[in-house]
Amino acid sequence: NAGVMQNPRHLVRRRGQEARLRCSPMKGHSHVYWYRQLPEEGLKFMVYLQKENIIDESGMPKERFSAEFPKEGPSILRIQQVVRGDSAAYFCASSPVQVGHTEAFFGQGTRLTVV
Amino acid sequence: DQQVKQNSPSLSVQEGRISILNCDYTNSMFDYFLWYKKYPAEGPTFLISISSIKDKNEDGRFTVFLNKSAKHLSLHIVPSQPGDSAVYFCAASDTNAGNMLTFGGGTRLMVKP
Repeated sequence: NAGVMQNPRHLVRRRGQEARLRCSPMKGHSHVYWYRQLPEEGLKFMVYLQKENIIDESGMPKERFSAEFPKEGPSILRIQQVVRGDSAAYFCASSPVQVGHTEAFFGQGTRLTVV
Repeated sequence: DQQVKQNSPSLSVQEGRISILNCDYTNSMFDYFLWYKKYPAEGPTFLISISSIKDKNEDGRFTVFLNKSAKHLSLHIVPSQPGDSAVYFCAASDTNAGNMLTFGGGTRLMVKP
């Protein structure tokens, strides 16, 4: 049973380009969360999705950032017109239930570097 | 507004001794608390959790204590091993509002042989 899979592991983009980060949840998990970790900081919640639905995007910047979790395929975090401040590690986590006491399992992250 | 705080950015402990990592929170709606361990260039790995209806949960060398009145939790590792050296994150969630986690800033634990 594979864990949460994220790709790419490393992504380099020039300022103004688009970044696409992919996340495949663990088998049987239908809830996906994206977190961002800036250097020397903790992880910050960005967005929570179920299949075809955004449940909570309160942690996501209003502009340039979007996320989706289609019926088929991985969840995608998309950053348009990247800026240097977007350089961070982006982690995806999945869990089997929406509410209740359950731990989320994390992928290995995508390290985005904007040059 | 940091709802979860880990006030010690680093902790150094001798192998075999106890490691105590602390975490404070402010949001009284949090009802589930977790500790994650993170190595460089890897994702956080779940260690242990505790529900707000309990004050202690134990799993092998790891014990988490919760003091709801003080809004404080701690992770005890005993005996500490060099392989425990990592960054430890405390996280909390309001499980009635989804399982989004609010993380502390992390504590870097170094266990010296």
